[in-house]
Amino acid sequence: AQKVTQAQTEISVVEKEDVTLDCVYETRDTTYYLFWYKQPPSGELVFLIRRNSFDEQNEISGRYSWNFQKSTSSFNFTITASQVVDSAVYFCALSEGLMYSGGGADGLTFGKGTHLIIQP
Amino acid sequence: EAQVTQNPRYLITVTGKKLTVTCSQNMNHEYMSWYRQDPGLGLRQIYYSMNVEVTDKGDVPEGYKVSRKEKRNFPLILESPSPNQTSLYFCASRTGGRGYTFGSGTRLTVV
Repeated sequence: AQKVTQAQTEISVVEKEDVTLDCVYETRDTTYYLFWYKQPPSGELVFLIRRNSFDEQNEISGRYSWNFQKSTSSFNFTITASQVVDSAVYFCALSEGLMYSGGGADGLTFGKGTHLIIQP
Repeated sequence: EAQVTQNPRYLITVTGKKLTVTCSQNMNHEYMSWYRQDPGLGLRQIYYSMNVEVTDKGDVPEGYKVSRKEKRNFPLILESPSPNQTSLYFCASRTGGRGYTFGSGTRLTVV
């Protein structure tokens, strides 16, 4: 069965520092999708990125960047020059391509989340 | 605007009183699902539906029911809510390319 591990429960940094949130996943499928979501204190889930398993290119979007490494089954997220508005809970998630879904549920498997605190 | 709409946003109820949380999407997605979020546990899938009249259990289905009579609606039913169902609930729909759209969430408290 698929699994997503976010080992960092909480990270606290001072504004303008760079911070990396780790995500390690497990899946038997060769086709799968990885996601990052942001959950600010207001509670909604904000979509940040989706990558499929065939696209290992790293991606940069403004201060955000993502490092996808299939060899280590990791999909880490870095915020450069962090800001107070980046304070939130961040979730990494996996959706399989269903080759091995068998009797398992079809949907997103989430990590437990990393609470990021940016101090002014 | 493409969206998933959940209602209500907040709900406080008493143990045993049946309730329904509604979910509606306007994107003609075939796939819809429900998740619950609890501190320290992340989000876990309750039920999902691949299409009208097709529903299946997720990881934590106990105590919940769903129905999918129309493509756009996927209500979550708690026939006899208990305090351990106090949680933040999210509905989502999905494109074929695994593009998920989430509702704004329903914060349920069962006392």
